[in-house]
Amino acid sequence: DTAVSQTPKYLVTQMGNDKSIKCEQNLGHDTMYWYKQDSKKFLKIMFSYNNKELIINETVPNRFSPKSPDKAHLNLHINSLELGDSAVYFCASSQDLLTGAAQETQYFGPGTRLLVL
Amino acid sequence: GQNIDQPTEMTATEGAIVQINCTYQTSGFNGLFWYQQHAGEAPTFLSYNVLDGLEEKGRFSSFLSRSKGYSYLLLKELQMKDSASYLCAVRGAPAGGSYIPTFGRGTSLIVHP
Repeated sequence: DTAVSQTPKYLVTQMGNDKSIKCEQNLGHDTMYWYKQDSKKFLKIMFSYNNKELIINETVPNRFSPKSPDKAHLNLHINSLELGDSAVYFCASSQDLLTGAAQETQYFGPGTRLLVL
Repeated sequence: GQNIDQPTEMTATEGAIVQINCTYQTSGFNGLFWYQQHAGEAPTFLSYNVLDGLEEKGRFSSFLSRSKGYSYLLLKELQMKDSASYLCAVRGAPAGGSYIPTFGRGTSLIVHP
């Protein structure tokens, strides 16, 4: 059984379009994340949700909006896509990172490869 | 802020030992992770260090020195399947109430016969 799944795996679209990427985890985790991995391979945190509440929102454009219908899902909606949005987007989850005391590992989805033309 | 530095690329021979270094500067420290990422795949967890010293797990070991802001990942008896990118991630002081780790750019390891 897949722990963290994302759809679609590949997404090719035109500049200016609006698109969504879906993420689901079946691990019963409380916290989910969206990361962007650019061509230089940096994994940068975009959003994190804990129990359906946004707990950190890095300085990403407001064209990006995370939506969490329930604890197991965190979708990413992108408006007015730009060339610079081309990257691999990873969803991840963890039991909880709020305490910072426990050995908490993140489980990553397979990634969505977005190409904006 | 946080700054994490690792070599961009390393090469090694099958059966050998390789050490991948990671240095970091953070405000606060709450643990260091190593992840493995094969090309086109998701990062997968390898190890976690929060106290100084060596953590061994099979062919992989990870070392941490908090006073030096330094860690390394040691891979023994290298296999071709170990060719991958190795990401160092550090969890610093909490931001917004959460301890989300910051990732380095990764070290691409190429294992050749």
